[in-house]
Amino acid sequence: GAVVSQHPSRVICKSGTSVKIECRSLDFQATTMFWYRQFPKQSLMLMATSNEGSKATYEQGVEKDKFLINHASLTLSTLTVTSAHPEDSSFYICSALKSSGQGAGEQFFGPGTRLTVL
Amino acid sequence: AQSVAQPEDQVNVAEGNPLTVKCTYSVSGNPYLFWYVQYPNRGLQFLLKYITGDNLVKGSYGFEAEFNKSQTSFHLKKPSALVSDSALYFCAVSGIFNKFYFGSGTKLNVKP
Repeated sequence: GAVVSQHPSRVICKSGTSVKIECRSLDFQATTMFWYRQFPKQSLMLMATSNEGSKATYEQGVEKDKFLINHASLTLSTLTVTSAHPEDSSFYICSALKSSGQGAGEQFFGPGTRLTVL
Repeated sequence: AQSVAQPEDQVNVAEGNPLTVKCTYSVSGNPYLFWYVQYPNRGLQFLLKYITGDNLVKGSYGFEAEFNKSQTSFHLKKPSALVSDSALYFCAVSGIFNKFYFGSGTKLNVKP
């Protein structure tokens, strides 16, 4: 299989501070990673597509200056929530795309990061 | 546009009974369909996928799903439910640029 890790698993921060979340593909290289946000009892909402070596592509309604994404290597993407506010509290999940020979790549998901902004 | 719908917010089933979690899709082109399971405060775990080939797809933990093109459905099934199967289940379709579009999720409750 393919393993994706996230760090930290849980973080509590004060309002106004910035928080960085790391997403790593441990046993494969991923030129593309995705960042999702999940509210309680709701589905995953795609925030952005992280592309190695280039700028991330953000979904409509997602503030790129607030949610900074960096994909500096083939195994690491980071999401930085800048000037966090309580409404940014959520469960953030990343996934890494592993290419498949059958035309559609498969996404492997990290375990998620629970962000609480006080 | 790609989308999936999970019409049931919750499914209740007794342990040992068969279970079905429903999913319908709307895609342009060939559908690439997936099922994932999520336990509380955890990420998504892959169950199975349909890309091409046999309409009946077998996956992890005894789950299977049947791709039905005429009904545009991809229902998740298991012949005999376990209490440990209780979790949140998501159907997803892969679209352009490999983006995933998730259904709203179905909470499965398996009672002893």
